Amino acid sequence: AQSVTQPDIHITVSEGASLELRCNYSYGATPYLFWYVQSPGQGLQLLLKYFSGDTLVQGIKGFEAEFKRSQSSFNLRKPSVHWSDAAEYFCAVGTYSNYQLIWGAGTKLIIKP
Amino acid sequence: ETGVTQTPRHLVMGMTNKKSLKCEQHLGHNAMYWYKQSAKKPLELMFVYSLEERVENNSVPSRFSPECPNSSHLFLHLHTLQPEDSALYLCASSQQKAGGRETQYFGPGTRLLVL
Repeated sequence: AQSVTQPDIHITVSEGASLELRCNYSYGATPYLFWYVQSPGQGLQLLLKYFSGDTLVQGIKGFEAEFKRSQSSFNLRKPSVHWSDAAEYFCAVGTYSNYQLIWGAGTKLIIKP
Repeated sequence: ETGVTQTPRHLVMGMTNKKSLKCEQHLGHNAMYWYKQSAKKPLELMFVYSLEERVENNSVPSRFSPECPNSSHLFLHLHTLQPEDSALYLCASSQQKAGGRETQYFGPGTRLLVL
């Protein structure tokens, strides 16, 4: 069955430190992949997406993600977090034959001053 | 900034009330979606409309009734809701095309509380 796992429910990082949020998926073919961010009380904003090509994808707000087929992963990274990055982050997987996205449960990022 | 707007942003209703949620997209997309987001649960797809026709209804109770009068507007009519229906309801839109690779853009959501 297709699934997306975000192993960390919460992550706490100091401001200025680097960040990596994990996303693993289970899907039989090459998926297309998304990271969205949700600030408190807001909708989901697209951070970045991978459809094909270069496996290192740049997004908005200084985020990047790397697709690793061998590990079925699409981890999100940022070299230096800011207090405004505190939010919930969602990984999602899509297929080429279906408009439905498979969603992870989300990782809540907490920033320590 | 997202191009997808939702009203109202907050709604409190009793179990016997009837209310409607509205979504409007300004992106020229041809597909619209309703999602339910509850605490500690993955996002749940409720309905999908493509070219104004409903193409997906993920076993949603009949107390939720969607309407898509045109490609820019989507409504979710609510009646006789239960307290467990309290959640954030998100609308999204996308440009559907052959072979997938479409991106969904979300509105800010309506926070619904059923008393």
